[in-house]
Amino acid sequence: DAKTTQPTSMDCAEGRAANLPCNHSTISGNEYVYWYRQIHSQGPQYIIHGLKNNETNEMASLIITEDRKSSTLILPHATLRDTAVYYCIDNYGQNFVFGPGTRLSVLP
Amino acid sequence: AAGVIQSPRHLIKEKRETATLKCYPIPRHDTVYWYQQGPGQDPQFLISFYEKMQSDKGSIPDRFSAQQFSDYHSELNMSSLELGDSALYFCASSISTSIASMNTEAFFGQGTRLTVV
Repeated sequence: DAKTTQPTSMDCAEGRAANLPCNHSTISGNEYVYWYRQIHSQGPQYIIHGLKNNETNEMASLIITEDRKSSTLILPHATLRDTAVYYCIDNYGQNFVFGPGTRLSVLP
Repeated sequence: AAGVIQSPRHLIKEKRETATLKCYPIPRHDTVYWYQQGPGQDPQFLISFYEKMQSDKGSIPDRFSAQQFSDYHSELNMSSLELGDSALYFCASSISTSIASMNTEAFFGQGTRLTVV
């Protein structure tokens, strides 16, 4: 079973920042936080991952709290193509366990 | 950039038939994962391989088997198909890093849609 908890769904206005929270209160010291998304039956797409420092790439930013019990994925300027199910996964060198995720709807 | 290739993209089989799904990982990736996603469900881990050896096993039915070959491609063999096996099957690949740095991301293919009738 997934060890993370996320809101079931969220809405975001197009052009605004989308902030997707994730709780991973049982994360162990060597586990990384990964974010994937799945756009309607396509293969899950890797977004970003981190251990304890904040991370940024061309797709998103990842903010991890100092105690590592939660994190936030930030899509700085959401577009309609960002509508997808977003999965937060904690993992250390093992298979990726997908939980229910957050269904993000970007609205025009 | 090269991605994970899965074939076929679509497959229709009758009950009790067999099916073989193929996965070609990203070049130089040595780890392969298989996932099953039923209608309206999240991807469920089936099995994984590292350097041609099974590395982890999830909820894979006994009717299914898989292997990774010397060229790192993998095949998922499914026998005695049931209606409930109808699903999307995803393969993912990753490259191992040193044990001290197990932070490698996996990249997924576009999946094979299996329909059992």
